[in-house]
Amino acid sequence: GNSVTQMEGPVTLSEEAFLTINCTYTATGYPSLFWYVQYPGEGLQLLLKATKADDKGSNKGFEATYRKETTSFHLEKGSVQVSDSAVYFCALTVNTGGFKTIFGAGTRLFVKA
Amino acid sequence: DTGVSQDPRHKITKRGQNVTFRCDPISEHNRLYWYRQTLGQGPEFLTYFQNEAQLEKSRLLSDRFSAERPKGSFSTLEIQRTEQGDSAMYLCASSRDREVNGYTFGSGTRLTVV
Repeated sequence: GNSVTQMEGPVTLSEEAFLTINCTYTATGYPSLFWYVQYPGEGLQLLLKATKADDKGSNKGFEATYRKETTSFHLEKGSVQVSDSAVYFCALTVNTGGFKTIFGAGTRLFVKA
Repeated sequence: DTGVSQDPRHKITKRGQNVTFRCDPISEHNRLYWYRQTLGQGPEFLTYFQNEAQLEKSRLLSDRFSAERPKGSFSTLEIQRTEQGDSAMYLCASSRDREVNGYTFGSGTRLTVV
């Protein structure tokens, strides 16, 4: 079946530290991969995406590379800010007749000033 | 366009009551999705519409749950005879045909069953 596994949180970092949130997936077929971010009290927002192997998605200083050989899509940022504190969800979409998206459990990030 | 709107933002109901939530998607998006999110978990797929047709339902969607999208515009999600286990955040999302663009989510409706 299709599933997404993320590293458990919370992840606590100091401002300007390097961030990595690991994500691996299993999929029947060739998925598109996404990272979404959820700020407190809000819905999810699309952060970045990659649709084929070796694609790099990037947005707001965040990056993730679609690695088919390791079935991974790790999220990275070189220097986090307090405003990056949120929950981050890795997700995949496969055309199983419905293009529904499967989400990981989420990783909470706290950034301290 | 103001994005995906959900109403109400919060709903507290007594066990056994019926509740209905509304979602207004982005107007040019023909696909609409309902998800449920419990504390500390990622969103779980419930159902999806392409235009007015409901094309897939999760096994999570028991027969107490029903969703409609008349005329392919807004959608409603009704829960009958609510149970405490229904307490969750109900999220609506919409997208165009090309899902590789990802979804646009609403802010959700938080349901508390007491």
